[in-house]
Amino acid sequence: SQTIHQWPATLVQPVGSPLSLECTVEGTSNPNLYWYRQAAGRGLQLLFYSVGIGQISSEVPQNLSASRPQDRQFILSSKKLLLSDSGFYLCAWSPYRKAEAFFGQGTRLTVV
Amino acid sequence: GIQVEQSPPDLILQEGANSTLRCNFSDSVNNLQWFHQNPWGQLINLFYIPSGTKQNGRLSATTVATERYSLLYISSSQTTDSGVYFCAVEDGGGGADGLTFGKGTHLIIQP
Repeated sequence: SQTIHQWPATLVQPVGSPLSLECTVEGTSNPNLYWYRQAAGRGLQLLFYSVGIGQISSEVPQNLSASRPQDRQFILSSKKLLLSDSGFYLCAWSPYRKAEAFFGQGTRLTVV
Repeated sequence: GIQVEQSPPDLILQEGANSTLRCNFSDSVNNLQWFHQNPWGQLINLFYIPSGTKQNGRLSATTVATERYSLLYISSSQTTDSGVYFCAVEDGGGGADGLTFGKGTHLIIQP
């Protein structure tokens, strides 16, 4: 069966520090991968998605970037964190476009 | 882009009651999912239902794609049903991949 791992679970970082969040999927190949953010309140917003190695699409302009160095690995990064980057970050995968998506357990990021 | 509206935003019920949560969307969709966000923030998949009706225990869902809405039914509510329920859709045309979420319904089941 397929599983998705996301770490760390919580993170407190100072303003201006770099960020690297990692997500890996097991038990499948060539998944579609996604990063979402849930800021204060309830809404979730799509940040990036990837349909293959090295292929990244960005949905919103921001202080973040994403990379997919391996088939089942998706990384969210920032060179310098802002206070507004605080939030709950969720990684997700789906077997192909428009298919059911499955989410990781999330990383709660607090920028101080 | 596609718009998703959920109602009601908040719902407080007694244990044992039934509830109906609604999701309206503004355009055709290829993917519609219902999630339950638990107290730790994890999104639990409830239904993948771009059209039709499905049931899983006390939960069922119906999507009427031609009228652009979906309903989530919870029967005989339990306190463990508390949390936020999200509807999320994916564009049915050639638009970008990824889910667009509604703002959620915050459900509180009181003992």
